[in-house]
Amino acid sequence: EVQLVQSGAEVKKPGESLKISCKGSGYSFSSYWIGWVRQMPGKGLEWMGIIYPGDSDTRYSPSLQGQVTISADKSISTAYLQWSSLKASDTAMYYCARHTTTVTPRYFDLWGRGTLVTVSS
Amino acid sequence: QSALTQPASVSGSLGQSITISCTGTSSDVGGYNYVSWYQQHPGKAPKLMIYDVSNRPSGVSNRFSGSKSGNTASLTISGLQAEDEADYYCSSYTSSITPHVVFGGGTKLTVL
Repeated sequence: EVQLVQSGAEVKKPGESLKISCKGSGYSFSSYWIGWVRQMPGKGLEWMGIIYPGDSDTRYSPSLQGQVTISADKSISTAYLQWSSLKASDTAMYYCARHTTTVTPRYFDLWGRGTLVTVSS
Repeated sequence: QSALTQPASVSGSLGQSITISCTGTSSDVGGYNYVSWYQQHPGKAPKLMIYDVSNRPSGVSNRFSGSKSGNTASLTISGLQAEDEADYYCSSYTSSITPHVVFGGGTKLTVL
């Protein structure tokens, strides 16, 4: 079965670090860009960035560049989203999703179930 | 404020057709044929319904169709069914600043 399995919900304090994961299966993980989408509570979708696991080429949203790090380990078909110092405003649902095989940012055709990140003191 | 503008809500009766608009600029919707549409039910992950303006992924009902004119893209759902009630988001490639994707603010579809 083609799927993306995300890591479980997290509760963190402001200033803490965090790395969440997304494991792909059932398809050639290294051949598709994979990305992250943020959805803050009660709000819409926000494109964060994409990574090509084959060579770790990464593209970020201009508004989020420097605030998060996207990485991947193709040997275990897993992508990551990482924060070095969380803020309360990072509280959101984070979805990983499979992008097309092209570098041009277009669409996501397969989605994970999401990882809820809650940042609260 | 989202980069693409969608109506906050639309409604339609069972069996009717509705259209959701998505307005951008020449740097995104109007400049490229890379508009996509997603359906999201409460508490669920988004689902791709239309890509590259008017293409349907395998398994998506042909009741869903997409189009574009100038800086505005549209999603039309014909023969409304109860299960169509959901939030719908448009997105587009944009060349603004660095290439990336922008989403609309979302439209809540209510089926009466």
